[in-house]
Amino acid sequence: AAGVIQSPRHLIKEKRETATLKCYPIPRHDTVYWYQQGPGQDPQFLISFYEKMQSDKGSIPDRFSAQQFSDYHSELNMSSLELGDSALYFCASSLGLHPLASTDTQYFGPGTRLTVL
Amino acid sequence: AQTVTQSQPEMSVQEAETVTLSCTYDTSESDYYLFWYKQPPSRQMILVIRQEAYKQQNATENRFSVNFQKAAKSFSLKISDSQLGDAAMYFCASSGGGTSYGKLTFGQGTILTVHP
Repeated sequence: AAGVIQSPRHLIKEKRETATLKCYPIPRHDTVYWYQQGPGQDPQFLISFYEKMQSDKGSIPDRFSAQQFSDYHSELNMSSLELGDSALYFCASSLGLHPLASTDTQYFGPGTRLTVL
Repeated sequence: AQTVTQSQPEMSVQEAETVTLSCTYDTSESDYYLFWYKQPPSRQMILVIRQEAYKQQNATENRFSVNFQKAAKSFSLKISDSQLGDAAMYFCASSGGGTSYGKLTFGQGTILTVHP
């Protein structure tokens, strides 16, 4: 079965540079979530999109922005990178936001490991 | 707001034996879901099992089952016939209804070691 695809898998950037992370959800999934997992930490929710509209926002820095495109893929743009942004960034996808939907389980991609030097 | 607490930073089990991982949660939502995710050394997040809060029956997936105590806000994971491949970090997570529907809140994780 097709899974969530994230690219790149590894990314090394210098401080103050910009990074773009891409996420391709499971086919027919219309909802995308982004999470950040620091070393030894649990994943923290950043932002989500449903049908190309932002549906929820967590502790995402103002330096970060994201969007979901017409083909449902999503991009997380990170500017003015800081050392503390080094983390594993997960994208997850699910089918629909209907409260009673039985297919709301989130399936995670393999993650993008971002290292800021 | 939702909170999830895993009070066991580390657990160990002998191969073929049974282990239970604990999780408690707090939520003001009436409609919510609970999950256990496994994160092996590859760091991939793998869904183990899910439970809808409105269902009284405990979820089961092969060797994995949960003990869902809604009144106590407890959601433990039981792994039977443990295998070496079960060694991983296990995260308990919740998602709620309303405007926060879908967003997962994770616990701190429990590292499970399986001894041969």
